Amino acid sequence: DTAVSQTPKYLVTQMGNDKSIKCEQNLGHDTMYWYKQDSKKFLKIMFSYNNKELIINETVPNRFSPKSPDKAHLNLHINSLELGDSAVYFCASSALGNQPQHFGDGTRLSIL
Amino acid sequence: DAKTTQPPSMDCAEGRAANLPCNHSTISGNEYVYWYRQIHSQGPQYIIHGLKNNETNEMASLIITEDRKSSTLILPHATLRDTAVYYCIVRVAYRDDKIIFGKGTRLHILP
Repeated sequence: DTAVSQTPKYLVTQMGNDKSIKCEQNLGHDTMYWYKQDSKKFLKIMFSYNNKELIINETVPNRFSPKSPDKAHLNLHINSLELGDSAVYFCASSALGNQPQHFGDGTRLSIL
Repeated sequence: DAKTTQPPSMDCAEGRAANLPCNHSTISGNEYVYWYRQIHSQGPQYIIHGLKNNETNEMASLIITEDRKSSTLILPHATLRDTAVYYCIVRVAYRDDKIIFGKGTRLHILP
């Protein structure tokens, strides 16, 4: 069973469209995250939610809106997609304290 | 910005021990050292973490110097499947516990 699963795995779309990426974890963790990895392979945190409450928002444009319907899900909605949004987006989850984060396999977003 | 410094790349012969160094000279007393790796654009995979004592698990060993300003990740018998980018990270284990990734070390395992 996949611990952290993301859908879709690949997403190709036109500039200006709105799209969503879904993430689910079956580890019983309280905290979930979204990371962005750009073409230079730098991995940067975007958001963190703890028990459906937003904890971290790292200067991400308002076009990105995370939504957590319950603590096992953290979805990422992106409005008015731009060329610079092309990247791999990773979801992760962790328990509280010093426990490590577990990552999904990523969603590869390409903007045409 | 990442609080760690790692060599950009390293080579290791298959079957030998791979020793990956990391400098974290500004580490605080309540910060842990974590190691992750990323294999060919898969999601980062947790390897090991520690505070001040040396740690060992089924994947690797972590050696932290007594002053905690540096550490070494040891893969005891490297295989081709260990080829990956290895990230050394320091972080405080609070609720707001974002991971700041640096550039990591690209480890090549040579057959």
